[in-house]
Amino acid sequence: GQNIDQPTEMTATEGAIVQINCTYQTSGFNGLFWYQQHAGEAPTFLSYNVLDGLEEKGRFSSFLSRSKGYSYLLLKELQMKDSASYLCAVADSNYQLIWGAGTKLIIKP
Amino acid sequence: SAVISQKPSRDICQRGTSLTIQCQVDSQVTMMFWYRQQPGQSLTLIATANQGSEATYESGFVIDKFPISRPNLTFSTLTVSNMSPEDSSIYLCSVRTGEGSPLHFGNGTRLTVT
Repeated sequence: GQNIDQPTEMTATEGAIVQINCTYQTSGFNGLFWYQQHAGEAPTFLSYNVLDGLEEKGRFSSFLSRSKGYSYLLLKELQMKDSASYLCAVADSNYQLIWGAGTKLIIKP
Repeated sequence: SAVISQKPSRDICQRGTSLTIQCQVDSQVTMMFWYRQQPGQSLTLIATANQGSEATYESGFVIDKFPISRPNLTFSTLTVSNMSPEDSSIYLCSVRTGEGSPLHFGNGTRLTVT
């Protein structure tokens, strides 16, 4: 079956760095997406990786290793507004998105 | 990215009634989807809304319960029929401009069934 694993919850301190991991087993691979979802709101797109390596976008970076079925989202200089759930999703061989359960990130002052 | 307007943003409905959710996109998109997100859970795909033909439903979802219309490339509706408290959830319209492109979401409809 198809499966995506990410930690349920993480806690970090304002100003610090946090890494949210995502491992996947899917039927084919056509890219991995990261989304941010604040409580009560819709998910918003953060990043897309289809080739191995690191993609950097300001304070957020996303890494992919296809051979390991592994990705991480790195958040630097954490701000209180970064408190949210972070969803990992993989596009399978049919380009259908398989969603992880999400990681709730709690930022403490 | 496309601007997606979804309404209503929230509603409280009685058991046994139906609610139709509308999704309007500001540009033509080939791929439009309806998702459900139950409290504390991740996203579950209900169906792909196909323009001019019947929607493609995922396992566990049927047309009688969740009829979908898509009359053109910018508009779709999802109806939640004969509602029960188990249908209380957030319903999200989403679009993609291509298979390798990200999914973008409307603001969602928070439905509570009493």
